[in-house]
Amino acid sequence: QQPVQSPQAVILREGEDAVINCSSSKALYSVHWYRQKHGEAPVFLMILLKGGEQKGHEKISASFNEKKQQSSLYLTASQLSYSGTYFCGTERGGSFNDYKLSFGAGTTVTVRA
Amino acid sequence: DTGVSQDPRHKITKRGQNVTFRCDPISEHNRLYWYRQTLGQGPEFLTYFQNEAQLEKSRLLSDRFSAERPKGSFSTLEIQRTEQGDSAMYLCASSSFETQYFGPGTRLLVL
Repeated sequence: QQPVQSPQAVILREGEDAVINCSSSKALYSVHWYRQKHGEAPVFLMILLKGGEQKGHEKISASFNEKKQQSSLYLTASQLSYSGTYFCGTERGGSFNDYKLSFGAGTTVTVRA
Repeated sequence: DTGVSQDPRHKITKRGQNVTFRCDPISEHNRLYWYRQTLGQGPEFLTYFQNEAQLEKSRLLSDRFSAERPKGSFSTLEIQRTEQGDSAMYLCASSSFETQYFGPGTRLLVL
């Protein structure tokens, strides 16, 4: 039930792009993306509901492929502040009343100057 | 706009002791969630409340864990007879609709 994230880690230079993938074996209703810096709480980035809508947050955007039960997070023109661990949290299809999330193991992003 | 707050931020206890954590959600949020996070892993769902009602508990939550949310405001999570395996970050989140906002967490170390 826990979604699978890939890659586990990525190292970027400032200005480079990266893609983080999140896939589930279960039908999904929504996918939530968070970024967590060391010792801090996860910070909400965006939510995608089934329907394949793509959303954006500054130079970070995401898509949700409902048929494949996959979501991708796109980091464009990365900045030093993008460093951290990115988690996807998934809500199963049909669970419309609790928004209980299952989180992947995370992708650690390191952006270097 | 104050966010989710948790107290204490750090707790060191000896095996077998009881500990209690507190979470204060964002004031207008009616849902409150508890998660546990261990090193290198994502948050793991423990339980959640809608107002004062506890609607679901994870099967991973043993009988030593209990949570309350009296009057639908703050919540407490108690762990009885702590074990070394309970060492983790305990995160609280609140929401009014889909988006969950996390607190800073309570880091528990059981010696």
